[in-house]
Amino acid sequence: NAGVTQTPKFQVLKTGQSMTLQCAQDMNHEYMSWYRQDPGMGLRLIHYSVGAGITDQGEVPNGYNVSRSTTEDFPLRLLSAAPSQTSVYFCATGVEGTQYFGPGTRLTVL
Amino acid sequence: GNSVTQMEGPVTLSEEAFLTINCTYTATGYPSLFWYVQYPGEGLQLLLKATKADDKGSNKGFEATYRKETTSFHLEKGSVQVSDSAVYFCALAPHGNNRLAFGKGNQVVVIP
Repeated sequence: NAGVTQTPKFQVLKTGQSMTLQCAQDMNHEYMSWYRQDPGMGLRLIHYSVGAGITDQGEVPNGYNVSRSTTEDFPLRLLSAAPSQTSVYFCATGVEGTQYFGPGTRLTVL
Repeated sequence: GNSVTQMEGPVTLSEEAFLTINCTYTATGYPSLFWYVQYPGEGLQLLLKATKADDKGSNKGFEATYRKETTSFHLEKGSVQVSDSAVYFCALAPHGNNRLAFGKGNQVVVIP
């Protein structure tokens, strides 16, 4: 089992560009989530999903969109990248707080 | 709302020293409590957890006890190794809920 996979590992964007961060899990969990990690800020929840077709906002959702068409996949879309979105992004899945994290995507917006 | 507070600043200590990282929380009801660890260049992984008051979570020589009366879940290890160098995050999830609230994390550096 691969667990949680994320692509790409690294990405550099220019301001205003769009992109999709991919996340896939083979653990058959209903719950999936996206976090961003910034120095001194810990992890902050962007969006989460409790199952296919159901998504909701976390504490920092502005500038990001998500969809959940299958149990396995939970992509995160940046529609118009801004320098403030420079961060490390983690996808996670799990049950009742026991979460399994992907290896992360390091995004730089110039 | 739910929140987690960790002690400020990195922790630097010598190999075989005793490690304590403080964690306190604010929550309604009786949340589950967690410690996650992040090694350099990796994602977070669960270190230990406790789901009710007075429970002790333990793993890899680390321990933490769920103290409802002091709303705390301090992480301890009796003798650290260089391989324990990492960032440690305290977190909580409301009972029956997947949504984690994280503290800001503590960088631990163990010097040989």
